[in-house]
Amino acid sequence: QKEVEQDPGPLSVPEGAIVSLNCTYSNSAFQYFMWYRQYSRKGPELLMYTYSSGNKEDGRFTAQVDKSSKYISLFIRDSQPSDSATYLCATPNNAGNMLTFGGGTRLMVKP
Amino acid sequence: NAGVTQTPKFQVLKTGQSMTLQCAQDMNHEYMSWYRQDPGMGLRLIHYSVGAGITDQGEVPNGYNVSRSTTEDFPLRLLSAAPSQTSVYFCASRKSRGDYGYTFGSGTRLTVV
Repeated sequence: QKEVEQDPGPLSVPEGAIVSLNCTYSNSAFQYFMWYRQYSRKGPELLMYTYSSGNKEDGRFTAQVDKSSKYISLFIRDSQPSDSATYLCATPNNAGNMLTFGGGTRLMVKP
Repeated sequence: NAGVTQTPKFQVLKTGQSMTLQCAQDMNHEYMSWYRQDPGMGLRLIHYSVGAGITDQGEVPNGYNVSRSTTEDFPLRLLSAAPSQTSVYFCASRKSRGDYGYTFGSGTRLTVV
C-alpha cells in the first residue's frame, strides 16, 4: 500500500463547477500537507500547504486536512479551463528531506 | 529570478552511456533534491542535499551520483544508463529547514534505448 493515495481520474467538470480533489495517507506522523499543480510537460508548482488539521483558503482554492481520518482535500471554486492540470498531494517526512507524493489526479475543466 | 533551471530539456541515451543532468537555482536555497516521475509510480526522491558539500540518498538512488560543490548547483550523474532510467527528472529546492515549500524545475525528459 502506498503511503499517499489519490484517485488518478480523469475528473471532468464543466466550467464554473466546484471541484473536490482528495488524498488519503497512512502514516499518522505526517504533519504538513501540500498541494501541487502540474501542467502537461511542466514541473509541479506549489499551490498551498497546511499544517495539521483544519482549513486554509487562498482565492478560489481551499485545502482541508482531517487528521482523524487521514484525509486531505483540495476544493476549487468557480473552476476555469486554465485549472485543467494534474493535482498532486504531498507530505514531507519529519526531517523535511523527502516529499511523499500521491500519484496525482488529472482534472479537465470543459468550457 | 530564474528559479530552478534544468538542462537539457530532452535527451536520448544509448544503454551504457553516461551523462550529467544539470540543475541550478538562484534563490539561495539550502536544500536541493532530485526526483524522477514515472507513470503509475508518481514522483520518487533519488538524492538530496542539505547544503554545499552534504548529500544523501533518497528512495531510489541506485545508478545515480550527485555532488554539491556550490549552493547554486546540484548535478545528477547517470553512471551507465539503463532502459529502467527512462523517466522525467525534476530538480527541486527549498529555502531552509523550517520551510517545506519546494520549488521545482521544468524537468528533463530522458529516454534510454
